[in-house]
Amino acid sequence: AQTVTQSQPEMSVQEAETVTLSCTYDTSESDYYLFWYKQPPSRQMILVIRQEAYKQQNATENRFSVNFQKAAKSFSLKISDSQLGDAAMYFCAYRGAGSYQLTFGKGTKLSVIP
Amino acid sequence: DAMVIQNPRYQVTQFGKPVTLSCSQTLNHNVMYWYQQKSSQAPKLLFHYYDKDFNNEADTPDNFQSRRPNTSFCFLDIRSPGLGDAAMYLCATSRYGSSTDTQYFGPGTRLTVL
Repeated sequence: AQTVTQSQPEMSVQEAETVTLSCTYDTSESDYYLFWYKQPPSRQMILVIRQEAYKQQNATENRFSVNFQKAAKSFSLKISDSQLGDAAMYFCAYRGAGSYQLTFGKGTKLSVIP
Repeated sequence: DAMVIQNPRYQVTQFGKPVTLSCSQTLNHNVMYWYQQKSSQAPKLLFHYYDKDFNNEADTPDNFQSRRPNTSFCFLDIRSPGLGDAAMYLCATSRYGSSTDTQYFGPGTRLTVL
C-alpha cells in the first residue's frame, strides 16, 4: 500500500520569505501522480500543483514550485514570496496511474507572519 | 464557472435522525467521491462512483450510503448519525482517463450531530 508522510505538522514563515514543505511517499508503482492541495481555515480545498512521475521537469505554478526527486521518493513544495493568503493546511497526495484513490499525508499547517 | 457545489454548507441533525447531503457538479466529470474529514485530519475516502458504478471503501460503515441519480448529482445518506459522525464531508470530482485526471473539491458540508 502507498503511504504519504508529511513530517512537519506545523511551519511558519515571514511574509515575503520562502518556505519549503516536505513530503515523502512510498510506492512500488512506476507511474503515478503527486499533488499539493491547500485548505485554508473553513474554506475549500484547492489544487496548488500537480506532478506526473514520468516528467523529470519540476512543476511550477507562479510562486509555487516543487522539488520532485523520484529516486528518493520526495516531493517538496516551495512557496516563494509568501503572502498572508498562503496561510492554510497543505496536504501532499499521491495517486497511482491506474487508480481513482488519493492517498493523503496528514498535512502541514502553514502560518504566515506579517 | 464550472464547479463542485455542496448543499447545505452547514447541517445540524439529531442523534439517530437520517440526514442527506448533496453534491452537484458542472464539470461533467465521470467520477464523484465522498470524503469524511475530521478536525485537523486528512480527508478519508468513504466511496466513489465511476459513472453509475458504486465503489465502497472496505472500512466505510454501513451507516453511510450514496446515490448518484445522474452525472451531475451525488448524495450522501447517513442513516442513523452518531456523535462520531460529526465532521466535514467533502465531495470531489474527476475525469478518469483524461490527461488532467485531477480531483476537484467542493466547499464541504459541516455536519453537527446533537
